[in-house]
Amino acid sequence: DQQVKQNSPSLSVQEGRISILNCDYTNSMFDYFLWYKKYPAEGPTFLISISSIKDKNEDGRFTVFLNKSAKHLSLHIVPSQPGDSAVYFCVLGGAQKLVFGQGTRLTINP
Amino acid sequence: DAGVIQSPRHEVTEMGQEVTLRCKPISGHDYLFWYRQTMMRGLELLIYFNNNVPIDDSGMPEDRFSAKMPNASFSTLKIQPSEPRDSAVYFCASSSAITLYGYTFGSGTRLTVV
Repeated sequence: DQQVKQNSPSLSVQEGRISILNCDYTNSMFDYFLWYKKYPAEGPTFLISISSIKDKNEDGRFTVFLNKSAKHLSLHIVPSQPGDSAVYFCVLGGAQKLVFGQGTRLTINP
Repeated sequence: DAGVIQSPRHEVTEMGQEVTLRCKPISGHDYLFWYRQTMMRGLELLIYFNNNVPIDDSGMPEDRFSAKMPNASFSTLKIQPSEPRDSAVYFCASSSAITLYGYTFGSGTRLTVV
């Protein structure tokens, strides 16, 4: 019973282009939607979030879009840089708990 | 601040042995979480504490798992007896009401039970 699904296990993008990571969720009771990033041998790190009352949040090269009617979340990275290569987790936040998706491995090619 | 500190980084143990994982949260954070990452289940929440009190342990897989937080600066996750299917990376994270869902994770403990 997965509450959050990231259907693409991996994504490869050319440096300088836009990276788009997608996520679908089933439970509408969460009040925050987040993206975490993880490098090998390290713990996940918080990247960006959006509350359920908004549909867009931007932070530098990173923009998160929330479509509540479709129960869909996406992360745009533009321009993509080699240091962005990592695993990205779509995360639902509610009641002080985080529920993680399975992750998408993003590779930025020079 | 040194961040969330977990020890050991790696642990290899034989089936049936007791394993204790340790975590030091960020000073001032009043929430502490234990997560487990496996290939099959991804990152799953095991238990979390608020002000040293366990709030939700519904993710703890079996009675073989137990967690304690004797004070604001230390928590342990114990597995006794350990089994090969417990092999995973265990992460500790902490947060506060101010950071909300911006958790700070430790680097994890990779546990291998043989």
